[in-house]
Amino acid sequence: NAGVMQNPRHLVRRRGQEARLRCSPMKGHSHVYWYRQLPEEGLKFMVYLQKENIIDESGMPKERFSAEFPKEGPSILRIQQVVRGDSAAYFCASSPPSGINEQFFGPGTRLTVL
Amino acid sequence: GQQVMQIPQYQHVQEGEDFTTYCNSSTTLSNIQWYKQRPGGHPVFLIQLVKSGEVKKQKRLTFQFGEAKKNSSLHITATQTTDVGTYFCAGRAGGYNKLIFGAGTRLAVHP
Repeated sequence: NAGVMQNPRHLVRRRGQEARLRCSPMKGHSHVYWYRQLPEEGLKFMVYLQKENIIDESGMPKERFSAEFPKEGPSILRIQQVVRGDSAAYFCASSPPSGINEQFFGPGTRLTVL
Repeated sequence: GQQVMQIPQYQHVQEGEDFTTYCNSSTTLSNIQWYKQRPGGHPVFLIQLVKSGEVKKQKRLTFQFGEAKKNSSLHITATQTTDVGTYFCAGRAGGYNKLIFGAGTRLAVHP
């Protein structure tokens, strides 16, 4: 059973470009969470999704950031018009649909904005 | 909103010394989880505590959940160099799946 997969692992963008980060949850998991981690800092919750639904996006910046988890395919975190302050590691985690369980984290995408 | 505070931010120990990190929530938690992140890696689940006053052990690691379910601690006995990393607590309030992470305690172990 493959773990949570994220791609790309490293992404370099110039200011003003778009960044698309992908997350494939573990098989059987229908809950996906996105976190941002700045260097030397903790994990900041961004958004919690279930298939085709955004459950909680209270940690998402109001502009430029969006997330989706379609019926088919991976979850996507999209950052439009990136700025240097968006440089960070973005982690995706998934959990199964039943109960309140541990979250399984992917390896992360390290985004660098030049 | 709900906040989870974690101290200390950094801890340097000599190999063989003990280590403790503390976690405090501004609200009562339904459960608390602990994760470890190695340098350059991703968070890995260690344990979940649910009951008031619960104590769980994993080899040299001891986890406690306070009686009021607002604080927790992780204690490592006789640290080893393999214990290096950042330890995060993460609290959940109510039946909601969202976790609020503490800022983490970074542990350095000197041989």
